[in-house]
Amino acid sequence: EVQLVESGGGLVQPGGSLRLSCAASGFTFSSYEMNWVRQAPGKGLEWVSYISSSGSTIYYADSVKGRFTISRDNAKNSLYLQMNSLRAEDTAVYYCARESRDYGVDYWGQGTLVTVSS
Amino acid sequence: QSVLTQPPSASGTPGQRVTISCSGSSSNIGSNTVNWYQQLPGTAPKLLIYSNNQRPSGVPDRFSGSKSGTSASLAISGLQSEDEADYYCAAWDDSLNAYVVFGGGTKLTVL
Repeated sequence: EVQLVESGGGLVQPGGSLRLSCAASGFTFSSYEMNWVRQAPGKGLEWVSYISSSGSTIYYADSVKGRFTISRDNAKNSLYLQMNSLRAEDTAVYYCARESRDYGVDYWGQGTLVTVSS
Repeated sequence: QSVLTQPPSASGTPGQRVTISCSGSSSNIGSNTVNWYQQLPGTAPKLLIYSNNQRPSGVPDRFSGSKSGTSASLAISGLQSEDEADYYCAAWDDSLNAYVVFGGGTKLTVL
């Protein structure tokens, strides 16, 4: 069974930093591309970042470019999102999501809440 | 402001058929396949339709998808109370500004 478990969310002040983690199990993590997608309270889904299976290709949404860094450790079956210079508008539930060539973004974690507030 | 446009709400009575539209552009829906996701209250999104009209195993055949040009739609027939949820369309985007774009979501109410 595919499982994605996010952690690392919490309350942080504007300008602060946070590192999210996503532990993957139930599939060959190193064979899949991964994404971070966020959802602000009461709002829709917003794609944040993508990383290829090897980590060699990375994309960011304009809203986080230069502030967030996506990475992965295939030996540890883990995905990360380093978030710096956080703003109030970054407040959201952050989902880790698997992507496959055949299905697109197909499995999602349960999400971790990041609240940016003073 | 979402890149893909969906109606904010839709409704129907049990047993009815409802459709939800999703409008995009040549850089996303016009050149890539569309996925649909169902998000029940308080839960993570779940893949409902992939590659415009394919259902993952376990998704009832009451759910169907279609695409034409730069628009797509999700149809739900034989509406049930448990279908009350938010529905999102998504597509890869070939522009430089995003990799995956989502619709703003449609809240489906079963009356």
